[in-house]
Amino acid sequence: AQSVTQLGSHVSVSEGALVLLRCNYSSSVPPYLFWYVQYPNQGLQLLLKYTTGATLVKGINGFEAEFKKSETSFHLTKPSAHMSDAAEYFCAVSVTTSGTYKYIFGTGTRLKVLA
Amino acid sequence: DTGVSQDPRHKITKRGQNVTFRCDPISEHNRLYWYRQTLGQGPEFLTYFQNEAQLEKSRLLSDRFSAERPKGSFSTLEIQRTEQGDSAMYLCASSLAGWASPDTQYFGPGTRLTVL
Repeated sequence: AQSVTQLGSHVSVSEGALVLLRCNYSSSVPPYLFWYVQYPNQGLQLLLKYTTGATLVKGINGFEAEFKKSETSFHLTKPSAHMSDAAEYFCAVSVTTSGTYKYIFGTGTRLKVLA
Repeated sequence: DTGVSQDPRHKITKRGQNVTFRCDPISEHNRLYWYRQTLGQGPEFLTYFQNEAQLEKSRLLSDRFSAERPKGSFSTLEIQRTEQGDSAMYLCASSLAGWASPDTQYFGPGTRLTVL
């Protein structure tokens, strides 16, 4: 069965510092992976996704993620944090069951950006 | 493209009452999903529609929960005899079926339910 683990429920970085949010997955088949961001009292916004092909995926707002099959990881990075990046971030894996594509989400990482 | 909309955004109810939430997907999207998100957790899958057919239901969806998508457009999620444990954010997502890769799901703003 597919699953997602996000290490670190809370991460704090200084403004301008590197952002690294960790995601490891478990999947018996080639996974499809996603990162979403959620601002307070809002729904989820897609940051980026990996399906096939290039393992380094670029998303919106300067974020990128690298799919590493050998490490079963899909960590999210941003070279320089901005105050507006403060939010909760969710990693998800797409699960195929009878032709549907529901998502399994991790428990989330809350990013705090310090001035 | 107005995105996925949900109504109401907030609902406060007393234990034992029934509540109904509505989701309007992106207009051409034929797939619709409901998720539940409790505090400090990621969203958990509840149910999925392709057009008007409900194709999958999670074991989280007890007998008190029912979802419909009567004309393959908007969907409703009803909870009967609400319990305090039902307090959560209920998220709706929609996607357009494709052949080459899994759908990308687009989420609405959610309905926050508080059961007193």
